[in-house]
Amino acid sequence: QVRLLESGGGVVQRGGSLRISCVTSGFDFGTYGMYWVRQSPGKGLECVAMIRYSGSDPRYADSVNGRFSISRDNSRNTLYLQMSSLRLDDTGVYYCAASYGDTNYFVLWGQGTLVTVSS
Amino acid sequence: EVVLTQSPATLSLSPGDRATLSCKASQSIDIFLGWYQQKPGQSPRLVISDASDRATGIPARFSGSGSGTDFTLTISSLEPEDSAIYFCQQRNNWPFTLGGGTKVEIK
Repeated sequence: QVRLLESGGGVVQRGGSLRISCVTSGFDFGTYGMYWVRQSPGKGLECVAMIRYSGSDPRYADSVNGRFSISRDNSRNTLYLQMSSLRLDDTGVYYCAASYGDTNYFVLWGQGTLVTVSS
Repeated sequence: EVVLTQSPATLSLSPGDRATLSCKASQSIDIFLGWYQQKPGQSPRLVISDASDRATGIPARFSGSGSGTDFTLTISSLEPEDSAIYFCQQRNNWPFTLGGGTKVEIK
C-alpha cells in the first residue's frame, strides 16, 4: 500500500524555523521526483519546492527561495523541508507529493501537515 | 511565472449533465497541463495529465483537451461523487503553478 505520511507541522512564531518530514512506503521512492505543495485560503495551491529523484537540482518558488530547503534521504524513503525566517503567509497545509521520474505531475499525495505561523 | 486562470468559479449541475471546465494559461505551455480533483478533507487526486491522458483508475466520463493556452476538462455525465473542486496545473515551466479551482456542485 502506498503511503506518504507528513509530520512536524505545528505553530511557530514569525521569524522562526521548522522542519517537516514525509516518510513514504509502498513505492520505489528513489525513482520518484518529490515536491512540497502547500494550500492556504489566500493563495490556493502552490508548489513551493521540488527535488529530482536523484536528489539533484532542487528548485524553489520565489516566495520561499533562500528561506526553505528541500532534501531527501533515499535510504530512508523520506523527504524533508527545512523552513526558516517563517512569515505569516507561509501558513497552510503542506503536502508532500510525488511524480514518477521527471513527469512533474503529482500522482501520489500525503494527507498534509498544518503549519501555522503566528505573530 | 505562468498564471492559470480557471472558469467558472462554481458550476452547479444535475446528475447526468455535462460539465465543461476551462483553464487558460498566461503563455503557451504546449500540452503540459494536468487536472486534479479535490474533495473536502482530502488531498488532491490526479485526473488528467498532458492535457488528455486519463490517470490510472479515472472513469472514462472524464476527458481533457487543449494545447497552447486553452484547456478544457469535460465530465460527460455527472455522477454525485464528482462533486469536488478541480484544479489545473502546468509543468512546462518552473515554478509549476496551479489554477484557483472550479467547484463542481451536484444539485
